[in-house]
Amino acid sequence: EERLLESGGTLVQPGGSLRLSCAASEFSFSTYVMSWVRQAPGKGLEWVSAISANGANTYYADSVKGRFTISRDNALHTLYLQMNSLRAEDTALYYCTKKRGFIGYDLWGRGTLVTVSS
Amino acid sequence: VLTQSPGTLYLSPGEGATLSCRASQRISSTDIAWYQQKPGQAPRLLMSAASTRAAGVPDRFTGSGSETEYTLTITRLEPEDFAMYYCQQYGSAPHSFGQGTQLEIK
Repeated sequence: EERLLESGGTLVQPGGSLRLSCAASEFSFSTYVMSWVRQAPGKGLEWVSAISANGANTYYADSVKGRFTISRDNALHTLYLQMNSLRAEDTALYYCTKKRGFIGYDLWGRGTLVTVSS
Repeated sequence: VLTQSPGTLYLSPGEGATLSCRASQRISSTDIAWYQQKPGQAPRLLMSAASTRAAGVPDRFTGSGSETEYTLTITRLEPEDFAMYYCQQYGSAPHSFGQGTQLEIK
């Protein structure tokens, strides 16, 4: 069964950094666009970032551009999100997702919680 | 920008629901998805390419629309259908989401 497992979420101070990881299993990781989507407590879904299958192309929401960096290691079947200069408004549950071509985001992890607070 | 309406929809089991998603500019119907999210769970893909049901989605869910207006219709609501619903465009980045429609039991 296809699976995504996020990790790395924790409490961090404003201005701090954090790296999230997402381990993929039971599918051909290197052939899919992967993304991060976040959800602040009690709020809706916010698309954060995406990366092409080979890692050559990356995309960011304006709210995180210049602060977050998405990357992947296809050999390790792992997706990353490096988060710098964190702000209170970055507090959210961060989901790792798989984009299946014209199908959409067909696989989601359970999320990892990032809390930015002093 | 995707704008969903209504924000909250109060209906009873057995009734039908119509959820709207309006885009600020034309979007290809091949790039529109709908997701269902229940409390404490990750979102679940319901519909892709505006009208193609994902695996395991009951046929009481129907997607339609084109250009700037998209609709998710649920006939004969079941208790498990009461949840939050989001539309998304997944063509060109950013793959933005609408703000969601909460379907509540009346």
